[in-house]
Amino acid sequence: GENVEQHPSTLSVQEGDSAVIKCTYSDSASNYFPWYKQELGKRPQLIIDIRSNVGEKKDQRIAVTLNKTAKHFSLHITETQPEDSAVYFCAASGAAGNKLTFGGGTRVLVKP
Amino acid sequence: DVKVTQSSRYLVKRTGEKVFLECVQDMDHENMFWYRQDPGLGLRLIYFSYDVKMKEKGDIPEGYSVSREKKERFSLILESASTNQTSMYLCASSPGLAGGPYEQYFGPGTRLTVT
Repeated sequence: GENVEQHPSTLSVQEGDSAVIKCTYSDSASNYFPWYKQELGKRPQLIIDIRSNVGEKKDQRIAVTLNKTAKHFSLHITETQPEDSAVYFCAASGAAGNKLTFGGGTRVLVKP
Repeated sequence: DVKVTQSSRYLVKRTGEKVFLECVQDMDHENMFWYRQDPGLGLRLIYFSYDVKMKEKGDIPEGYSVSREKKERFSLILESASTNQTSMYLCASSPGLAGGPYEQYFGPGTRLTVT
């Protein structure tokens, strides 16, 4: 089955700086790569996703890049703000069906 | 607006008890999922369902079973709760449209403590 590794596990940045989280996946048949944000005490919510026919996608301060050859994808947050502090999870779809395999999560702390 | 609800936010049970966690979604989604969330381990899939009365094992099904008698409801059952099942349990749903997978919508979670 699919295996997703996520790094780093914790990330501390100064407000205004950029944050980058990286994930690798094992199944070359994976075609959907979402990113979820989970604020303290709340449910995970999708912030951006990318499909395997696209190399990069951007939404305001958030961007995701995908390298299918190397089987890794990354989340980039620019001009970080205190409200970006949360746990972020990457996921990959695997070969079949609608299930997702999640990475271990990255706790991001934005220091004012 | 998609709404996924779970029957309890907090639950405390004793070892050996049978535990039922209920999840209901109101968006007519075909797919429903049960995960457990533990620090550093992310979200691990326990069971999922693509349709009524249909279920498939996820990555960590041991000690759990599920039931889906109606499209909107997906239940997770711990037949005999053990302390290593103390965790946060999250339910999710997603549409089963062609061209998927699609975004999964999560419930608020149930923090289960087994003593």
